[in-house]
Order: sequence, then structure tokens, then C-alpha cells
Amino acid sequence: EPEVTQTPSHQVTQMGQEVILRCVPISNHLYFYWYRQILGQKVEFLVSFYNNEISEKSEIFDDQFSVERPDGSNFTLKIRSTKLEDSAMYFCASRAGTSGGARNEQFFGPGTRLTVL
Amino acid sequence: AQSVTQLGSHVSVSEGALVLLRCNYSSSVPPYLFWYVQYPNQGLQLLLKYTTGATLVKGINGFEAEFKKSETSFHLTKPSAHMSDAAEYFCAVSGNMDSNYQLIWGAGTKLIIKP
Repeated sequence: EPEVTQTPSHQVTQMGQEVILRCVPISNHLYFYWYRQILGQKVEFLVSFYNNEISEKSEIFDDQFSVERPDGSNFTLKIRSTKLEDSAMYFCASRAGTSGGARNEQFFGPGTRLTVL
Repeated sequence: AQSVTQLGSHVSVSEGALVLLRCNYSSSVPPYLFWYVQYPNQGLQLLLKYTTGATLVKGINGFEAEFKKSETSFHLTKPSAHMSDAAEYFCAVSGNMDSNYQLIWGAGTKLIIKP
């Protein structure tokens, strides 16, 4: 069964460093998302991406964040200068976007736990 | 704007007892509603969803939920709890195409199963 994959599973970095979180969405999906979950808190929407551009972003997604689909398969989230409060689990999701009942279902990856020291 | 409220951050039931996890939402457009489960140190797995049609939806692992528009609720139930159901459960609402179907999440309910 197709699945969304994410690497690495755990990333430890020093404050101020850049990190890139990687996701491989399901191959025929057209819409991509990043969410984050700070420990003990709710899941929060960060950004959605379609047709090689950001379609929507939340207030959390400031200038320190960027997303890219560099090669048609990977979907990356970059944090330019990490802060302590960026420590969280980051989930990637993809959605087919085709017609039918499954068009609005997002499939999630296992997440990357980012720890900023 | 859309929002989701899950009543009870922790729910404890005995093995074999009824599970009831509450979810209320607000949405200015017809909502799509979801329940996800997260086992410790794992990702988010879809349990079930409501989009249109039948208001009682069945999901995996014996869970079901009923969409009640008049009560703006989408409570999750399971007739008989099993130890393996211990996990955190998240209710989420998404809008329509205009919002790219982004998910707005509840705070989650941790389900504890007592032997």
C-alpha cells in the first residue's frame, strides 16, 4: 500500500542552525501539507502546497520557513535558523485531489521529531 | 473560521466497556470531519471520516462516529474497549476546496484502558 515517508525520524540541531525535513508523498498525489505538533499540544497546520507553489500558510509559517518540491518526488520543509520553540514533531501529508470520496483525505507520514538545543 | 473542541484531555475506561470520545466543531461551510489515532511515538492514522451521505460512519478497529449537524458534534464510539485501543485520538475538521482542505485539529483525547 502506498505510504508517505519522512526522513529523518529524529533530528537534533543547535539553535540557529538550518534544518531540512524531507518527505516523499504518495506518488500520484497533487497536494502536500506540513503540520507540526509541539509535545503535549494539538496538531497545527503550517502550509499547503500545490502546483509548485504555496497555496495557503498559517501564522506560524513565517520567513524562517520555506517549502520546496525540488525533484518531483521529495517535498521538503526548511527552517533557516532554528529556535528552541521549533522543537516539535513535524508531519508531512499528501492528498490525491482527484474527484471522488477520497479527494479530501490526507495521508500522513510517521513524522520527524525535531529537537533544538 | 473553523474550530474543534474535544471534551476531556484524558478518558479512562475499563476493558470491555463502551468508549465515547466527544468532538464538537464549528464551521461556516459544510464540514468534512475526521478522527485520527496516534499510538505512542507513531504517526497519525485515519480512523474514519465523514464527508457526505450517511451520518453514521464506520471506521477501522470497530470504531464508529455519528455526524449530528444540529448538535455540531462528531462523537467517536466503540462498544467494547480493548487494551490495544490505548492511544491518543484527534478529531479534525476540514473545509472545502477553497481552503485546500487543510485540517483544523482538536487538542486530542488520551484514551486509557484499565484492565
